[in-house]
Amino acid sequence: EPEVTQTPSHQVTQMGQEVILRCVPISNHLYFYWYRQILGQKVEFLVSFYNNEISEKSEIFDDQFSVERPDGSNFTLKIRSTKLEDSAMYFCASSGVVDGNQPQHFGDGTRLSIL
Amino acid sequence: QKEVEQNSGPLSVPEGAIASLNCTYSDRGSQSFFWYRQYSGKSPELIMFIYSNGDKEDGRFTAQLNKASQYVSLLIRDSQPSDSATYLCAAKEAAGNKLTFGGGTRVLVKP
Repeated sequence: EPEVTQTPSHQVTQMGQEVILRCVPISNHLYFYWYRQILGQKVEFLVSFYNNEISEKSEIFDDQFSVERPDGSNFTLKIRSTKLEDSAMYFCASSGVVDGNQPQHFGDGTRLSIL
Repeated sequence: QKEVEQNSGPLSVPEGAIASLNCTYSDRGSQSFFWYRQYSGKSPELIMFIYSNGDKEDGRFTAQLNKASQYVSLLIRDSQPSDSATYLCAAKEAAGNKLTFGGGTRVLVKP
C-alpha cells in the first residue's frame, strides 16, 4: 500500500539553527500537509499546500516556517532559527482530492529535539 | 476557537467486549469526521471516516455521526489487546482542508 515517507526519523539541532524536514507524499496525491504534536498534547495543524502554493496555514505557522515542493516528489518544512518550544513530532500528510471524502494519510513523523 | 473534545480515558475494556468512544465538536460547519489510531510514539493511522448522519461500519469498527448533536462516536467490537492505543477524533470543516484533532481517548484492552 502506498505510504507517506518522512526523513529523518529523529533530528537533534542546537537552538537558533535552521532545520529542514523532508517528506515524500503518496505519488498520486495532490494536497500536502504538515502537523505537529508536542509531547502529551494534541496533533496541531500547521499548513496545507496545493498546486505549489500554501492554501491554508495556522497561527503557529509564522515567518519562522516555510514549505516548499522543490521537485515532483519531495515536500519540505523549513524552520529557521529554531527555538526550544519547536521540539515536537512533525507529521507530513497527503490526500488525493479535497471533497471531504478523501482522508489524509500520515507519515511516520520526524522527532525534532532542540537543545 | 473550534474545538474537538474527547474523554482522555483510559477506557479499560475486557478482551472480546465492545469499546465505545465519544467525541464532540464545536464547529457546526464541520463536514467530515475521521478516526485515527495512534500507538505510543507513532503516527496517526486512519481507521475510518464518516460524513453523513447515521452509522458506517467497517469490519470490527462502527462510526456514528449525529450532526444535530455535534457528536461522533466509534465502536470497536470484539476488542483485542492489539487495539490498545490512543484513538484520535478529527473534524474537517466544509471550507478548507485542515483537520482539527481532539486530545484522544486512551483505550486499554485487557486479556
